[in-house]
Amino acid sequence: DAGVIQSPRHEVTEMGQEVTLRCKPISGHNSLFWYRQTMMRGLELLIYFNNNVPIDDSGMPEDRFSAKMPNASFSTLKIQPSEPRDSAVYFCASSPQGGGTEAFFGQGTRLTVV
Amino acid sequence: GENVEQHPSTLSVQEGDSAVIKCTYSDSASNYFPWYKQELGKRPQLIIDIRSNVGEKKDQRIAVTLNKTAKHFSLHITETQPEDSAVYFCAASYLNFGNEKLTFGTGTRLTIIP
Repeated sequence: DAGVIQSPRHEVTEMGQEVTLRCKPISGHNSLFWYRQTMMRGLELLIYFNNNVPIDDSGMPEDRFSAKMPNASFSTLKIQPSEPRDSAVYFCASSPQGGGTEAFFGQGTRLTVV
Repeated sequence: GENVEQHPSTLSVQEGDSAVIKCTYSDSASNYFPWYKQELGKRPQLIIDIRSNVGEKKDQRIAVTLNKTAKHFSLHITETQPEDSAVYFCAASYLNFGNEKLTFGTGTRLTIIP
């Protein structure tokens, strides 16, 4: 398996534009996490899916952020409209069963909003 | 929800010396405590983990200790080498299939001085 695959690796966009980040979890994993990493806040959990169902989205900063997982092999994180303070590295991670097992991280998407 | 605090935020040690990173957590129900290493520009990767039914676990030069009563756990790296330089994150999770999340500490930047 190629591991967790995220795209794009880098995204530069103008303030106000819509941004969509994509993630393909490891096949067979049924938990998927979206994290945001910044120098100030470290790794923040944004949302967590189990079996494609959003379980906890309390970390989503505001209504401009939304996430979907239409099937077991694909998830998106959308920011609309984007703002400069959204600039960060966004990681997707998956784990085989959630709760007490290793979370495998993707390479991350470095988002810059200018 | 769970709150994980990690200290110190930066740590410099001479090559060959030991390094210790400490974390505390708030939710007494947490029962899984992994440690991740993130090299510059790369994804976090699991290096060791411990479950609440174990007080200590060792893997070559790396060891983790857990004190459930005090709600703290620590990472110990002995005989440090330059390749140990990285950011280390502790995390805590509650093993409850279908409804859990991995909460990370804010990270420790470890620098090994040759």
